[in-house]
Amino acid sequence: AQRVTQPEKLLSVFKGAPVELKCNYSYSGSPELFWYVQYSRQRLQLLLRHISRESIKGFTADLNKGETSFHLKKPFAQEEDSAMYYCALSPLEYGNKLVFGAGTILRVKS
Amino acid sequence: DAGVIQSPRHEVTEMGQEVTLRCKPISGHDYLFWYRQTMMRGLELLIYFNNNVPIDDSGMPEDRFSAKMPNASFSTLKIQPSEPRDSAVYFCASSLGSWNTEAFFGQGTRLTVV
Repeated sequence: AQRVTQPEKLLSVFKGAPVELKCNYSYSGSPELFWYVQYSRQRLQLLLRHISRESIKGFTADLNKGETSFHLKKPFAQEEDSAMYYCALSPLEYGNKLVFGAGTILRVKS
Repeated sequence: DAGVIQSPRHEVTEMGQEVTLRCKPISGHDYLFWYRQTMMRGLELLIYFNNNVPIDDSGMPEDRFSAKMPNASFSTLKIQPSEPRDSAVYFCASSLGSWNTEAFFGQGTRLTVV
């Protein structure tokens, strides 16, 4: 079975501080991994995906197959980063199925 | 395209009543997903369709839940009878392709069962 674990329900940091949102997955194959974000009163939307290896809004995420992790990082948090963040996994043999973690609320304080 | 459209946006119903949530996916998308969002459990995948055919309904909590996709542009999620513990935000999402493509979400339906 596929499973995504986000151990923190809430992460609170000060503006300008580094951010790391943790994500661990359980899957025997080679997954594709994503981070989705939900800002207040907006739709859930894609932030970044592993295969693109890009930085979006200063966020990056590296897949560590040894630790089965896909943590989301940003060196300097901004207040507009406050949102709910979901890590998601797409297992190869299930088409476009997306399995999400429980989510982490990021609060950036001024 | 207006994106994924869900209706209603809010639903308040009494315990025991039937509730029907509706979703119109993005035109041309061949995958449709129903998720339930709660604070305790986050986003749970309830069921997903490919080309209108249910592929995996293992996330449907009980027989009280059912979902249909009669055509490529419409899907329903029905709860009968509803219970207070069904209160949550229900999201519909659609995507295109075989793997690894972005899912586009609707704005959700906030269901309250009293």
